[in-house]
Amino acid sequence: EIVLTQSPGTLSLSPGERATLSCRASQSVSSDYVAWYQQKPGQAPRLLIYGASSRATDIPDRFSGSGSGTDFTLTISRLEPEDVAVYYCQQYGSSPRTFGQGTKVEIK
Amino acid sequence: QVQLVESGGGVVQPGRSLRLSCAASGFTFSRYAMQWARQAPGKGLEWVAVISYDGRHEDYTDSVKGRFTITRDNSRNTVYLQMNSLRDEDTAVYYCARDDWYWDYWGQGTLVSVSS
Repeated sequence: EIVLTQSPGTLSLSPGERATLSCRASQSVSSDYVAWYQQKPGQAPRLLIYGASSRATDIPDRFSGSGSGTDFTLTISRLEPEDVAVYYCQQYGSSPRTFGQGTKVEIK
Repeated sequence: QVQLVESGGGVVQPGRSLRLSCAASGFTFSRYAMQWARQAPGKGLEWVAVISYDGRHEDYTDSVKGRFTITRDNSRNTVYLQMNSLRDEDTAVYYCARDDWYWDYWGQGTLVSVSS
């Protein structure tokens, strides 16, 4: 089973700042099959990024994904108040599908 | 538009059973595998079970093997999760999701609370 470790646990930034979230896999993820999800309080998760770097439908372009192999990054270029959420990475290249433990993004 | 609506959650005693349903609309249900995931209170996401598009293949996380069963009815556009021998640690919000390799649509979740 591939273990995903996300860092930091919590990120506290001011509006307009750049947020960089990390996701490290315990072994190489096949075909860079990594997705990122956003979960706002009281809501279901929403797909942001798939294939490590492709934005899902209707996702603003301030969200971007990068990385390959074992190291992946989600970047929010200019943080907005509505981006307050927990962000999860997931690998879907091998079974079982696994999630990271999440990074909480807060606004200062 | 794609919609997934879960139902069937509630409060149940340890050792009892519950069946969750997830009604799908807005897409050709029979073409997609479907997933169940859960989220314990204040915790992260955990994959629970998957069923292939035709219902012929399924898989489970180790902690529910032998207790949970995932099925689907493509004529009703619905996927089910039969949960038997429930334990305190099964308490969570249960989500269904459409599997297009990544999980592109999720339901709003249904809460299962196992408590005596």
